[in-house]
Amino acid sequence: DTGVSQNPRHKITKRGQNVTFRCDPISEHNRLYWYRQTLGQGPEFLTYFQNEAQLEKSRLLSDRFSAERPKGSFSTLEIQRTEQGDSAMYLCASLPGQAPAGELFFGEGSRLTVL
Amino acid sequence: SQQGEEDPQALSIQEGENATMNCSYKTSINNLQWYRQNSGRGLVHLILIRSNEREKHSGRLRVTLDTSKKSSSLLITASRAADTASYFCATDPFQGAQKLVFGQGTRLTINP
Repeated sequence: DTGVSQNPRHKITKRGQNVTFRCDPISEHNRLYWYRQTLGQGPEFLTYFQNEAQLEKSRLLSDRFSAERPKGSFSTLEIQRTEQGDSAMYLCASLPGQAPAGELFFGEGSRLTVL
Repeated sequence: SQQGEEDPQALSIQEGENATMNCSYKTSINNLQWYRQNSGRGLVHLILIRSNEREKHSGRLRVTLDTSKKSSSLLITASRAADTASYFCATDPFQGAQKLVFGQGTRLTINP
């Protein structure tokens, strides 16, 4: 399967614990995006990378959130000291090349439930 | 905050009927895209229309864009049960970053 892969698909954790999500984009895509989607809402932008450089972060991304993309391949999104409000679907998407516009290829998402 | 607003929030029709969803947005855009999301799954790209285009077709999909009214519509003709999903419009208001801003979506149910 050459699509965007996200792991784990589901994560249940207790408040205060740390969680990490991984995204493997389509191999030739150098842009990678993280979005968060709460129930009944559209996805909201969190951050994006071009290769290994993190180019922009949303104000939604508090200091408890950190994202990395070492070597410009897979990316991780870590949430420290989780809160119940962090419960959401975390979506990763990738985009090829330098094209200013184009379709985002999304993974199936990682659903986080904080108890 | 979300740029787009879809209307209606929910739509239920019979199989074979046409479904129309509308999207309004706030700022100038480079392009507008429509995505579909089946329950609990990721988003799938349907169609992209650029700001200098007024109408675009793809199979049973027809998208219109009116930049003067900052609005778009998605028409699905001859609907099928498999079209049941949430549909989101997404705008690209930021030059070059492809940082899409999504609306809240329209939840479409096709009744057999």
